[in-house]
Amino acid sequence: EDQVTQSPEALRLQEGESSSLNCSYTVSGLRGLFWYRQDPGKGPEFLFTLYSAGEEKEKERLKATLTKKESFLHITAPKPEDSATYLCAVQGGYGGSQGNLIFGKGTKLSVKP
Amino acid sequence: NAGVMQNPRHLVRRRGQEARLRCSPMKGHSHVYWYRQLPEEGLKFMVYLQKENIIDESGMPKERFSAEFPKEGPSILRIQQVVRGDSAAYFCASSFRTGGAVQPQHFGDGTRLSIL
Repeated sequence: EDQVTQSPEALRLQEGESSSLNCSYTVSGLRGLFWYRQDPGKGPEFLFTLYSAGEEKEKERLKATLTKKESFLHITAPKPEDSATYLCAVQGGYGGSQGNLIFGKGTKLSVKP
Repeated sequence: NAGVMQNPRHLVRRRGQEARLRCSPMKGHSHVYWYRQLPEEGLKFMVYLQKENIIDESGMPKERFSAEFPKEGPSILRIQQVVRGDSAAYFCASSFRTGGAVQPQHFGDGTRLSIL
């Protein structure tokens, strides 16, 4: 069964304190792994797509990496405005829909000034 | 999340009533997806539609729930005879065609459904 597990569930950082969020996955035929940011009362906001092991993507203070079993979202020198819930999702390609995303429960990040 | 428009943002219904949730995809997007988010749970896939076609409804309850994406107008998620357990946030997403490389799905801000 396709599955996504994110850790930790919650993370508290001081402003400027770099860290990483983990996303472990099992999926039949990975077509893409996606990172989203979700603020309270809002929908998920797309951040990155990763397609194959070894791939990396960067955007401002965020960097996403992918291996065959997991992905990391690295946050460098975070600011309070980076506080949000970060969601990881995978899209598989075999034995089921090629359209639906399978989401983890997210990591709630709080950055204190 | 400008682009994917969902309405209403909040909907209150009494048990047994019908709920209709609307979603207008981003301009140029022909694929629509509906997800449900329960408190303390992750987003769960419900249904995937293209214009006038249901591609995958494997995540949608067999009874009371239906979805459509007509040739003209928004996609509609319809819940008949609502029960308390239907209370959740319902999110719509859209993407470009997925025939080749996987395209990211872009989400609206959801409809919060409360059942009294």
